[in-house]
Amino acid sequence: SSELTQDPAVSVALGQTVRITCQGDSLRSYYASWYQQKPGQAPVLVIYGKNNRPSGIPDRFSGSSSGNTASLTITGAQAEDEADYYCNSRDSSGNHPFGGGTKLTVL
Amino acid sequence: QVQLQESGPGLVKPSGTLSLTCAVSGGSISSSNWWSWVRQPPGKGLEWIGEIYHSGSTNYNPSLKSRVTISVDKSKNQFSLKLSSVTAADTAVYYCARLEIMITFGGGEEDYYYYMDVWGKGTTVTVSS
Repeated sequence: SSELTQDPAVSVALGQTVRITCQGDSLRSYYASWYQQKPGQAPVLVIYGKNNRPSGIPDRFSGSSSGNTASLTITGAQAEDEADYYCNSRDSSGNHPFGGGTKLTVL
Repeated sequence: QVQLQESGPGLVKPSGTLSLTCAVSGGSISSSNWWSWVRQPPGKGLEWIGEIYHSGSTNYNPSLKSRVTISVDKSKNQFSLKLSSVTAADTAVYYCARLEIMITFGGGEEDYYYYMDVWGKGTTVTVSS
């Protein structure tokens, strides 16, 4: 299956740690990439591969993977991290489906 | 630094064909990247539409495959999206993006990383009569 499943919404207290998960069969074979999207803006890549951050992404963002689950962890969440987060992965057919997205609220 | 810019009509009539172009600047469309289209209906999540390589090879979302054509124009350094028989459900912000593929070697294993590292700002297309 090429479907990726995310929790619709997650909240975290300011300065605390939050994990956003993504589940799917394709994640057993391919790494997820993670995208942050703020209202009215294009998505921004925050994590790719095993645990790689593009230039300019704070090191409080990290990624991990186990079995059919990929996780995005924000250690010490900041107010500016409030956004929608999407996972994406390749599947065995060469497609690149997105997860449904997780709305992160920083309290 | 590669930049992408979408362009095309903002309004398309039902049953018509949506046509968009993504101009690539700061780099060559003939590089070792795939070039993607992604859309986002109002208030909803991201949906991968498809991708193209400069050779013309394509992959399409199975749910849209019968209506989608993605093409590349190397002379203009751009790629395009056509979506036929549109309905109101095709109203969305359409993004183009660069798909990077990285191969890493470690511990005798080869890992492939796929990720969309450059995005256009997006263009809104409304399907309405």
